[in-house]
Amino acid sequence: DAGVTQSPTHLIKTRGQQVTLRCSPKSGHDTVSWYQQALGQGPQFIFQYYEEEERQRGNFPDRFSGHQFPNYSSELNVNALLLGDSALYLCASSASPGGRDEQYFGPGTRLTVT
Amino acid sequence: GQNIDQPTEMTATEGAIVQINCTYQTSGFNGLFWYQQHAGEAPTFLSYNVLDGLEEKGRFSSFLSRSKGYSYLLLKELQMKDSASYLCAVREPGGYQKVTFGIGTKLQVIP
Repeated sequence: DAGVTQSPTHLIKTRGQQVTLRCSPKSGHDTVSWYQQALGQGPQFIFQYYEEEERQRGNFPDRFSGHQFPNYSSELNVNALLLGDSALYLCASSASPGGRDEQYFGPGTRLTVT
Repeated sequence: GQNIDQPTEMTATEGAIVQINCTYQTSGFNGLFWYQQHAGEAPTFLSYNVLDGLEEKGRFSSFLSRSKGYSYLLLKELQMKDSASYLCAVREPGGYQKVTFGIGTKLQVIP
């Protein structure tokens, strides 16, 4: 049973560029959340997708957008990259959007913006 | 919004017991999670509390007091592999899982 997978593992981009990160949830899960984790900090909630719609959003600008596909996989897009966007981006999936089900995290994508 | 406080760093001895505290000030509450995160890895689930009291799971226990906005994670019989960051996270009420994480407590277990 595959867990949460993310691609790519590492990515280097230049300021102003755009990036797309991908996530496949754990088998049986239909809800995907995205987090940004800066070095030495806890994960910061970006948004959550359920039934192909954004259901909850954290305090992130519109440069951060996402999508969920019919097979429950998800993408995170970041436009006009800033140096401060350098972080580990974590995807987490759960079996339902609001139950006591735990979130399973993927290994993350390390984004470096130069 | 949510404000979550936990110590930044702690050190404990192998075989000992350590308690990691977490306090939160929230506009709403619908459960508290503890996650373990080893350096360079993804967080892994340890516990979930939504009602007051202690929940025990092997060497790890988690306690919640909703009236005090307080939780702790208790680790017994510490092992070197327990050296990691421990993240306290609070879920907001509502039908969707918006979870706010604390900064994490970096625990170092020494021989």
